[in-house]
Amino acid sequence: DAKTTQPPSMDCAEGRAANLPCNHSTISGNEYVYWYRQIHSQGPQYIIHGLKNNETNEMASLIITEDRKSSTLILPHATLRDTAVYYCIVSLSGNTPLVFGKGTRLSVIA
Amino acid sequence: DTAVSQTPKYLVTQMGNDKSIKCEQNLGHDTMYWYKQDSKKFLKIMFSYNNKELIINETVPNRFSPKSPDKAHLNLHINSLELGDSAVYFCASSHNLGGTQYFGPGTRLLVL
Repeated sequence: DAKTTQPPSMDCAEGRAANLPCNHSTISGNEYVYWYRQIHSQGPQYIIHGLKNNETNEMASLIITEDRKSSTLILPHATLRDTAVYYCIVSLSGNTPLVFGKGTRLSVIA
Repeated sequence: DTAVSQTPKYLVTQMGNDKSIKCEQNLGHDTMYWYKQDSKKFLKIMFSYNNKELIINETVPNRFSPKSPDKAHLNLHINSLELGDSAVYFCASSHNLGGTQYFGPGTRLLVL
């Protein structure tokens, strides 16, 4: 079973920042937080991952709380093409496979 | 240039038939996976291979048999297809088990 809790759906206005929350209160010290997304009918796409520190790449930023019990994925300027289901996953990198939960369906609205 | 490719993209077949889905990755990864996404959109891992060896088999009926002829290929053979096998099957690969995974476009299987 997935070890994360995410809201089932969110809306975001085009051009605004999309902030997607994730709770992972039972995360262990050596588990990473991964984010993937699945655009309709396509294969899941890796976005970003982190362990303790905040991370940023060309797609998004990942903010992890100090106690590591929750995190937020930030898409700084959402576009219509960002409409997708976003999955937050905790995993021991190099040791166990990814377990996908239900994710958050993000709708970016013009 | 496709990193992870699957064939066929669509597969429509009758109950009881045997079919295969092929997957190839050109990323030089050691680990490959098969996932099943059902009509409720849950994405569940089925198998994982590392360096051509089966690592994970998640309570999948033995009608499903993965085969990895080399590190770049992981095929899925399904015997005696059932209606409940209808789903989208995704192949993925990663540098090592549990690392960042790259997914193929999926194979949409419909069993009639």
